[in-house]
Amino acid sequence: ELKVEQNPLFLSMQEGKNYTIYCNYSTTSDRLYWYRQDPGKSLESLFVLLSNGAVKQEGRLMASLDTKARLSTLHITAAVHDLSATYFCAVDTSGTYKYIFGTGTRLKVLA
Amino acid sequence: DAGITQSPRHKVTETGTPVTLRCHQTENHRYMYWYRQDPGHGLRLIHYSYGVKDTDKGEVSDGYSVSRSKTEDFLLTLESATSSQTSVYFCAITRSGGTEAFFGQGTRLTVV
Repeated sequence: ELKVEQNPLFLSMQEGKNYTIYCNYSTTSDRLYWYRQDPGKSLESLFVLLSNGAVKQEGRLMASLDTKARLSTLHITAAVHDLSATYFCAVDTSGTYKYIFGTGTRLKVLA
Repeated sequence: DAGITQSPRHKVTETGTPVTLRCHQTENHRYMYWYRQDPGHGLRLIHYSYGVKDTDKGEVSDGYSVSRSKTEDFLLTLESATSSQTSVYFCAITRSGGTEAFFGQGTRLTVV
């Protein structure tokens, strides 16, 4: 059964600092997604990673995928307050249609 | 905007009553999903659908049933609501395998 784990679950960081959120999953897949959720809101898509070694960047966020290690990372560079949100990774597997989310990482960027 | 509407947006119901949540999409996508979101658990998949009348169980399907008689509508039913089903419910759609999901605005359900 597909399991998706994120760490850390909570992250409080200073503005200007760098940090990485990790997403591990339990079965073979080369399809991984990152989402952002603001408090009280729905989820919005950040990145779609569809192959081993895929790297996507948008502003201060960069996501990568290592399918051999079953690991994706979301790297935050020089954090700003506006990045405060909860970040989720999700995995789906070809042929099953299931779309499974991690538990989320709640990020708080302190001014 | 991926054309997803959830209804109702908020509902308070009593233990033991049946409840149906509706997810409506306007873009004819094949895959639809129901999740619940609870603190400390992230989003957990309840049921999903890969076509009209094609549905399957997710991670936390006990106490829930679904139906999809039309492409655009995916209904989630709590046959007899319990307090443990108090949660925020999200519907999502994907265009095909290997694509991002688009979410509805969520339904906050409280079972008293």
